Amino acid sequence: AQSVTQLDSQVPVFEEAPVELRCNYSSSVSVYLFWYVQYPNQGLQLLLKYLSGSTLVKGINGFEAEFNKSQTSFHLRKPSVHISDTAEYFCAVSAAKTSYDKVIFGPGTSLSVIP
Amino acid sequence: DTEVTQTPKHLVMGMTNKKSLKCEQHMGHRAMYWYKQKAKKPPELMFVYSYEKLSINESVPSRFSPECPNSSLLNLHLHALQPEDSALYLCASSQGGLPPYNEQFFGPGTRLTVL
Repeated sequence: AQSVTQLDSQVPVFEEAPVELRCNYSSSVSVYLFWYVQYPNQGLQLLLKYLSGSTLVKGINGFEAEFNKSQTSFHLRKPSVHISDTAEYFCAVSAAKTSYDKVIFGPGTSLSVIP
Repeated sequence: DTEVTQTPKHLVMGMTNKKSLKCEQHMGHRAMYWYKQKAKKPPELMFVYSYEKLSINESVPSRFSPECPNSSLLNLHLHALQPEDSALYLCASSQGGLPPYNEQFFGPGTRLTVL
């Protein structure tokens, strides 16, 4: 079975400052890793994903994440945040051998960008 | 068309009512999902349909009854719900089938309130 931990439930950050949202996972099998964003009163949108290859993954809206297998981490970063980045961010994992693309979500991190 | 649509956007129902949620996609995806999301929590998987057959039921109470009439449509029939069933109900779809992972596309959700 897989599980996901997001250590920070809330992250306040000033506009134009950098931000890092932390994600750790556990799994006994190879996994795919994802970051989703959910803006208020909306569904989920995929920010980026790691399937294989380069451990540095670039996504939409200027976000990137780095996969670290030894530390079982997949932290999300953005060098300069905007007010519009205020949202809930979910890290997620999917086992690499399932046929239903079942995704396990972390508890979420609420990012608040302060003007 | 990379969109998953859900109707209605909002639904208020009494505990004795019968209602249905509808989800539609025209991306040719063969896997469709229902999730339940409470406020400030991650989505919880309820059901997975793969090639129009129910593949996963995450021990969901029988007052929730899914239906997949064809490969583009997914319904969730609701009957005798409880106030604690109030939540955002998200539908998602993916190409399905064997790995590698196929991205899940989420709809905007139906906000359900049970009185």
